[in-house]
Parts: sequence; C-alpha cells; structure tokens
Amino acid sequence: GAVVSQHPSWVICKSGTSVKIECRSLDFQATTMFWYRQFPKQSLMLMATSNEGSKATYEQGVEKDKFLINHASLTLSTLTVTSAHPEDSSFYICSARDTGHPRNTIYFGEGSWLTVV
Amino acid sequence: GEDVEQSLFLSVREGDSSVINCTYTDSSSTYLYWYKQEPGAGLQLLTYIFSNMDMKQDQRLTVLLNKKDKHLSLRIADTQTGDSAIYFCAEIPGSGYALNFGKGTSLLVTP
Repeated sequence: GAVVSQHPSWVICKSGTSVKIECRSLDFQATTMFWYRQFPKQSLMLMATSNEGSKATYEQGVEKDKFLINHASLTLSTLTVTSAHPEDSSFYICSARDTGHPRNTIYFGEGSWLTVV
Repeated sequence: GEDVEQSLFLSVREGDSSVINCTYTDSSSTYLYWYKQEPGAGLQLLTYIFSNMDMKQDQRLTVLLNKKDKHLSLRIADTQTGDSAIYFCAEIPGSGYALNFGKGTSLLVTP
C-alpha cells in the first residue's frame, strides 16, 4: 500500500529553537497534505492543509507564523515549529491524499513526537 | 466543526467479536474511514466505505453503514490481543476535503 514517511520520529529541542518535521509520500504524488496535532489521549486536530506550490491553509487558532508549512514538491511537505515552547510539545502527524487513487484515499505518516525542554 | 461521535472505551475477551460504533454528521459525506492507532504510532488505514454501500467486508473486518441514521460500525471478528488499540472513525464532509475525526474508541482485548 501507499506509504507516507515522517522524519524525525522523535525530537527534543530547547525552548526558543526551531525544529523541522518532514512528511514524504514515497510512492505517490500528493498535491495536498495535511498536518495534525494530537494531545495525549485526544483525537487529532487539523492544523493546516498544505497545497503544493501555494500557501498553506491554516485552521482557526493556529498561528501561521509559528507553524510554518512548506509544500515545495509533490512528495514533500515540511512543518517548522519556530521559537518552540514547552506547550508545543505534542505528537504531530501528517497525511497525504493519493489523488491518483480512484478512491482518493488518505494515508498517514507514523507521526513525530516533539518534546520542548 | 461538527462532531463525529464514538464511544470512548470497549473491552472484549480474546476470540469474541468487537463492534465499534460511530455516528457522523454530514449526510453528504462520500467516504467514511476507520483508522487504527497503536500506542505511540501513527494512524493506519484499516478500511473505508463509499457512501453508496451498506456493507463492506475485508477479512476479519466488517463495516456497516446506515446512511439514514448516519451510523457507521466496525466489527472485528475473532478479536486478538494485537487488536488492542484506538480506533478512529472519520468522514470527509461534503463541503471540504480534510478528514473530520471522532475522538477514538480504545479497544482493550483481554485474554
């Protein structure tokens, strides 16, 4: 089946620094990717929709200057958490839509654990 | 946004069937999905059903869709301890194209 790869799986960073998370679709092209955040024992919260070659669309309440999203190619989207704070510690998951699939299926990455100390 | 509702917890004995229920919100949703999340891992697509179907079977998994009641269920036959995980129901509302998730059902399978 289709694979979405996220990197890194785990990252620890100091307060005030920035960290970049990559999301790659390995065997399909994805014009649209999604970034979610998950707090412990809660459901996924959509942060933003990443569109290849254009600006991301952010959900209400998500700071676009803090969570920078770049979707420079059909197989790669990146999420950069800028000036990270401990409250940014969370599980971040990306997903990608396989528009070449007849059922328009969405596949998820394995997620990235971010801990800000 | 509107909520996709799921029961939060289900416990079954190994070998029994599990049924996880979900009610969704948008009658124009075209696809409905079930995802599985094991501890510390991302989401794994288990199965999906198109809105013009009533039932879909895939090995041990059976999905039932009642469009009139906007009710979706996932039945796992012969549940195993490896099936213990959180199961998320999700829809793509007719007005959008991002998934709208339920809060997840924690399935615990006991020996």
